[in-house]
Amino acid sequence: DGGITQSPKYLFRKEGQNVTLSCEQNLNHDAMYWYRQDPGQGLRLIYYSQIVNDFQKGDIAEGYSVSREKKESFPLTVTSAQKNPTAFYLCASSGTELNEQFFGPGTRLTVL
Amino acid sequence: QKEVEQNSGPLSVPEGAIASLNCTYSDRGSQSFFWYRQYSGKSPELIMFIYSNGDKEDGRFTAQLNKASQYVSLLIRDSQPSDSATYLCAPGGGYQKVTFGTGTKLQVIP
Repeated sequence: DGGITQSPKYLFRKEGQNVTLSCEQNLNHDAMYWYRQDPGQGLRLIYYSQIVNDFQKGDIAEGYSVSREKKESFPLTVTSAQKNPTAFYLCASSGTELNEQFFGPGTRLTVL
Repeated sequence: QKEVEQNSGPLSVPEGAIASLNCTYSDRGSQSFFWYRQYSGKSPELIMFIYSNGDKEDGRFTAQLNKASQYVSLLIRDSQPSDSATYLCAPGGGYQKVTFGTGTKLQVIP
């Protein structure tokens, strides 16, 4: 089955730690995206990548980093510089110029 | 950047009624729009796409695009409690930044 997987589903982090969220897709999509969603809020774009080995900052990139070494994978690292990282993180991909977004199931990150 | 605005709601409608969700946008160059549905605690899922002026129907859902007035709407006929969710709109086109509206929360009252 084609789709997007994210892991882990739940993640707990101590303050000062870096954590990496996984996002994998087997849809053969060129573009991939990371969003953050806070309770009762909309989606905010963190980073996006239109092609392997290239990515751009979104609206709230500070405290986050990404890599795109393979077409299928777009991991997100939440660094200790991110002051309030507790949120729901969503990865998405898009395979056409229409730019429809196909979402993974998300990762809930909680900072203890 | 393509900006979109939505009323956050909640919009409450009785079961069987028509729910009307609206989205306004600022970029006159936007040619297409997507509607996504997000159940509480879940990720968004694509439900409708509209490209041209006018209406597009898919079952109980109708998307409307008015480029002159710069708004796009989603009508849900015969609303069901299972339609209770947050509905997000977003412009389409190009592998670029996607700006979602904040979403409208719909509550269908049995």
